[in-house]
Amino acid sequence: IAGITQAPTSQILAAGRRMTLRCTQDMRHNAMYWYRQDLGLGLRLIHYSNTAGTTGKGEVPDGYSVSRANTDDFPLTLASAVPSQTSVYFCASSDSTERGELGELFFGEGSRLTVL
Amino acid sequence: GQNIDQPTEMTATEGAIVQINCTYQTSGFNGLFWYQQHAGEAPTFLSYNVLDGLEEKGRFSSFLSRSKGYSYLLLKELQMKDSASYLCAVRDGDYKLSFGAGTTVTVRA
Repeated sequence: IAGITQAPTSQILAAGRRMTLRCTQDMRHNAMYWYRQDLGLGLRLIHYSNTAGTTGKGEVPDGYSVSRANTDDFPLTLASAVPSQTSVYFCASSDSTERGELGELFFGEGSRLTVL
Repeated sequence: GQNIDQPTEMTATEGAIVQINCTYQTSGFNGLFWYQQHAGEAPTFLSYNVLDGLEEKGRFSSFLSRSKGYSYLLLKELQMKDSASYLCAVRDGDYKLSFGAGTTVTVRA
């Protein structure tokens, strides 16, 4: 079982370029998330999706967009990358329990992005 | 936004016990999670508390007091492999999960 797959694992990007980070899960989880992790700041939520067809903004959404066309895929796009978007990006997913409470997050291995 | 505080670093000796505290202020509460993250790796789930009290899972225990906005993670019989960052995360009233900055635990021989 692959769980959550992120691609690319690492990328160096020129400022101003467009970049899409891919995320695919095979656990049929309803909810998916994108976090960025920066030293001293921890994991910060960028965007999330509680179910296919819906998305929402997290704590730091500016400069990023997402789509959720189906249950398995949740790509994150940087329309015009800037150096402050240099970070490690983690995709995660979680299931909904019978009581309607979301379960624990399962994380991908991360995508390390450097914007020059 | 949410406010989740935990110490930046802790050091302990192999075989000892370490307690990592976490205080939080969030809009609503739907559970508190602890995750472990080794350097260069993804976070992995350790424990979940939604009711007050202690949850024990092997060498790891987690405690929650909702009225005090407080939790701790207790690591017993420390091993070298426990050297990692420990992340406190709170699920708010909208079911969004916010993380603290993490506590780096270093276990010394």
